[in-house]
Amino acid sequence: SAVISQKPSRDICQRGTSLTIQCQVDSQVTMMFWYRQQPGQSLTLIATANQGSEATYESGFVIDKFPISRPNLTFSTLTVSNMSPEDSSIYLCSAAARQAIQETQYFGPGTRLLVL
Amino acid sequence: QQPVQSPQAVILREGEDAVINCSSSKALYSVHWYRQKHGEAPVFLMILLKGGEQKGHEKISASFNEKKQQSSLYLTASQLSYSGTYFCGAAHAGGTSYGKLTFGQGTILTVHP
Repeated sequence: SAVISQKPSRDICQRGTSLTIQCQVDSQVTMMFWYRQQPGQSLTLIATANQGSEATYESGFVIDKFPISRPNLTFSTLTVSNMSPEDSSIYLCSAAARQAIQETQYFGPGTRLLVL
Repeated sequence: QQPVQSPQAVILREGEDAVINCSSSKALYSVHWYRQKHGEAPVFLMILLKGGEQKGHEKISASFNEKKQQSSLYLTASQLSYSGTYFCGAAHAGGTSYGKLTFGQGTILTVHP
């Protein structure tokens, strides 16, 4: 199983600023994903972080708002840009060793973001 | 397409059983079950791949029906540690979607002494 860490664990930010969240996996993985989870809600996929190419975004999420980097097989960042209170949420990264429907996805502990 | 979970919430006494269902209008490639405790990351429980499959152990097990449109999670003789929100995730196949998950809305399970 993969062990995933995220930094920061929580932050309080001002409207209009940006925050970059880091995700580190303890082993090389093929797939890395970024999710958003509103309090008491389900997990919504933001994008798939592709190593060496642009991220693949889900409907409703755009690169200008959520730029993602993945410079290698163990690390990814998600930036929440020009934040508004509606961006207050928990952001989780996940990783899977292989690109396969039977592959287990492991989740990081999440970053709790509050935008004032 | 988001799978639908039922019930939305369950309250149990220790030792009681529960069943959580996850349904889809289309056949799923696989179903992944997770449990999330408040303030923590979702924790993987199990994956089901084949129609008619059942897996797990005596206390926590799951099934996948023949048409692969419904999965059920069975919690037997519940313990306090079972409390949390349970999510099913439907895996996608094909192109760049391969391996990503779409989660149901979650089922809140509360176990009381």
